[in-house]
Amino acid sequence: GNSVTQMEGPVTLSEEAFLTINCTYTATGYPSLFWYVQYPGEGLQLLLKATKADDKGSNKGFEATYRKETTSFHLEKGSVQVSDSAVYFCADSGGSNYKLTFGKGTLLTVNP
Amino acid sequence: GAGVSQSPSNKVTEKGKDVELRCDPISGHTALYWYRQSLGQGLEFLIYFQGNSAPDKSGLPSDRFSAERTGGSVSTLTIQRTQQEDSAVYLCAIRDTSNYGYTFGSGTRLTVV
Repeated sequence: GNSVTQMEGPVTLSEEAFLTINCTYTATGYPSLFWYVQYPGEGLQLLLKATKADDKGSNKGFEATYRKETTSFHLEKGSVQVSDSAVYFCADSGGSNYKLTFGKGTLLTVNP
Repeated sequence: GAGVSQSPSNKVTEKGKDVELRCDPISGHTALYWYRQSLGQGLEFLIYFQGNSAPDKSGLPSDRFSAERTGGSVSTLTIQRTQQEDSAVYLCAIRDTSNYGYTFGSGTRLTVV
């Protein structure tokens, strides 16, 4: 089956630092790609998505571009805030019945 | 999340007991998934329902796990003879076929003692 590999954490940054969390997928075809975020004590929330090659998903200052040629969907933010501290999950919908396959999650801690 | 209600939010049960977890999605979404989030295993697919089609049960970890969806709406996940390794957060999600989006419920945290 397909898999999603994302940068292992934990990642610790200072406020206003630049963030990159790498994500690659193995699904063939043209799956939709997602980043989900889980804040402490809360459920999964969709952060952003892209549904076709070269699309850029963006939300709350985060961006990720669907790169078919490198099967990647790296998450970036130019200036992180303490409130961005959370676990970030990359996912694709390339499984049968469009089921989501998730990466293992990356814990981000942003210090003031 | 808005659109998917799960109950109970927390459940503590004794090893060997059966538990039933409920997912109540807003109407109109025929695609429904169950996932499990546990330490060390990340997020795992369990089962998928789509309309009146036979469910995709390929992710269920053992025959102690079963699920049903009545009337194309409410879904229940049943775990029989619970074991400590069943402790996890069980998440329900619906897929919006119009925008490729998935909405997750807040989950049920199951603790088997």
